[in-house]
Amino acid sequence: SFAMTQSPSVSVSPGQTAIITCSGDSLGDKYVHWYHQKPGQSPVLVMYQDDKRPAGIPERFSGSNFGNTATLTISGTQAIDEADYYCQTWDSLIAHYVFGPGTKVTVL
Amino acid sequence: EVQLLVSGGGLERPGGSLTLSCEASGFSFSDHGMSWVRRPPGKGLEWVSTIPAKGDKTYYTDSVKGRFTVSRDNGQNKLSLHMRDLRAEDTALYYCSKGALTTPFDFWGQGIPVTVSS
Repeated sequence: SFAMTQSPSVSVSPGQTAIITCSGDSLGDKYVHWYHQKPGQSPVLVMYQDDKRPAGIPERFSGSNFGNTATLTISGTQAIDEADYYCQTWDSLIAHYVFGPGTKVTVL
Repeated sequence: EVQLLVSGGGLERPGGSLTLSCEASGFSFSDHGMSWVRRPPGKGLEWVSTIPAKGDKTYYTDSVKGRFTVSRDNGQNKLSLHMRDLRAEDTALYYCSKGALTTPFDFWGQGIPVTVSS
């Protein structure tokens, strides 16, 4: 079945750029969505269909998806961006959603 | 304002059953697919089940197929997840979310704990 990998953690200083990657075979052929989840809260959609920002998500969030890697970039990272970030895609071959294992973003 | 209110979680013994409910408001429920996602303790998000807007098909992750049943009542704006033959590995926070198939999960309810333990 389709699987995606993510780096377990990313550390970034305030104001710097955080790059979160999600890898899978020919992932660029699928749509990828991104969520973040803070402790004690429900997940929040922060990027959908590779590079579209939902209403209310700051412009510092951007996304791309090419080849085998989808990327979520946070420019000018703020302390409030500290969270677990998950990529997600739909595997149409087996009609299953797949989440990546998650990346913990720490803002030092 | 979209709201998804989840109820029905709790403690159950292995082999037992529980039913989760998700009451939706603030959007046209009958026009949108819905999904269940869980997060086991110390682990990441795991997709559980999805049902399209009309409820004509259902989709499940392999580990719950044959034990969990997702359903919806479009007249009552209600999504349900009936879980039977519960196992310790079903212990998790369960989330109801708006979204299915090609659409992202754009709104989430509050997580409700399900604990399976003797």
